[in-house]
Amino acid sequence: GAGVSQSPSNKVTEKGKDVELRCDPISGHTALYWYRQSLGQGLEFLIYFQGNSAPDKSGLPSDRFSAERTGGSVSTLTIQRTQQEDSAVYLCASSPRAGTGALSGNTIYFGEGSWLTVV
Amino acid sequence: AQTVTQSQPEMSVQEAETVTLSCTYDTSESDYYLFWYKQPPSRQMILVIRQEAYKQQNATENRFSVNFQKAAKSFSLKISDSQLGDAAMYFCAYRSRETSGSRLTFGEGTQLTVNP
Repeated sequence: GAGVSQSPSNKVTEKGKDVELRCDPISGHTALYWYRQSLGQGLEFLIYFQGNSAPDKSGLPSDRFSAERTGGSVSTLTIQRTQQEDSAVYLCASSPRAGTGALSGNTIYFGEGSWLTVV
Repeated sequence: AQTVTQSQPEMSVQEAETVTLSCTYDTSESDYYLFWYKQPPSRQMILVIRQEAYKQQNATENRFSVNFQKAAKSFSLKISDSQLGDAAMYFCAYRSRETSGSRLTFGEGTQLTVNP
């Protein structure tokens, strides 16, 4: 697609429920990232995918968080047994390359985010 | 590990005036990329300008330009002829060129207000 697409745009869920957030990166982008931004805070790295594998999961805050990527394209971030502190904007981003080479291939582009509210 | 620091939590500027947002970073690497992103209330991160560390020439994009001082590890953003639409949170970010799969490391952000 033309840009990084995320769904849903907004999600309100009850505490304890599971949620899935979807990210469709820019076509051809091999690297995909998930970030979280709580209200009034900066961006917190969650996980990085290269193709379908996740070489860096170091930012996932607990084992309630998991993510997968299939076909080198769409990624799903799953939060199990949601807690109120999970309320945040979840931003997905992609880049053509994984950090070497020219700047144009290493610029990271973001989607519009999924606003998650846990009540 | 790399760190990025934005020492100005808030800045304001009059419409049509010029404002400079500060950013410093700490790294032991010699090759990397630097970015400024803008985040309006919609929360989408929009790329404003980017720079490769090995290029000494400062990047410019229309009314936006940077002052890149590699030795000082400084990467400030200058916005000329400020417009009301420039009001947003601005984030400075670093990405390694020496590590495959490197993530963006962000500063804390600077909230820019543009006064009419």
